[in-house]
Amino acid sequence: RKEVEQDPGPFNVPEGATVAFNCTYSNSASQSFFWYRQDCRKEPKLLMSVYSSGNEDGRFTAQLNRASQYISLLIRDSKLSDSATYLCVVAQAGSNYKLTFGKGTLLTVNP
Amino acid sequence: EAQVTQNPRYLITVTGKKLTVTCSQNMNHEYMSWYRQDPGLGLRQIYYSMNVEVTDKGDVPEGYKVSRKEKRNFPLILESPSPNQTSLYFCASRGSQGLNGYTFGSGTRLTVV
Repeated sequence: RKEVEQDPGPFNVPEGATVAFNCTYSNSASQSFFWYRQDCRKEPKLLMSVYSSGNEDGRFTAQLNRASQYISLLIRDSKLSDSATYLCVVAQAGSNYKLTFGKGTLLTVNP
Repeated sequence: EAQVTQNPRYLITVTGKKLTVTCSQNMNHEYMSWYRQDPGLGLRQIYYSMNVEVTDKGDVPEGYKVSRKEKRNFPLILESPSPNQTSLYFCASRGSQGLNGYTFGSGTRLTVV
């Protein structure tokens, strides 16, 4: 099982659609979880951290299920500007605080 | 403005010619890390540093060196670049408090011919 596995995509959706991204991780000792967004040829940018209780930031909702080792990101009312690659990221405990990245899912929101 | 600055943004070089990619952060972060990103492979960690003079290997350290003589700087050194090191490189940093993600630099696109 890959360390961090995401939907391969790509996703093509119309404006206003709701999009769900799923991610699983293999290391049960993983400590922290994030969703990053990466635009073409640009650096990854932190979209949101994922907390055990679930968290919401405007149109974005992140969920974590530690028992199933599963993370999700929901985007409601998608905008053209949401088009990007979404990266699921898991951080290990320990001195490195190593980030392990999923390969990303490309989202294209169409007018 | 809080940021991670990498230079150069683009570099084309020849096999075997030593090069250094610089990375500097102005956030007084303890942790710094280098990643490379390749199509189909995602982001992979090369080296990381937990503080001044403390560095260690990541997943793909072969062919790279780093140093951390000052807190703000974390240069990546390719002593003898080879074509398989053609990639997009990102430097990133984070503070030691809390469980925050990394802040990334804008990237360096390296081509080794």
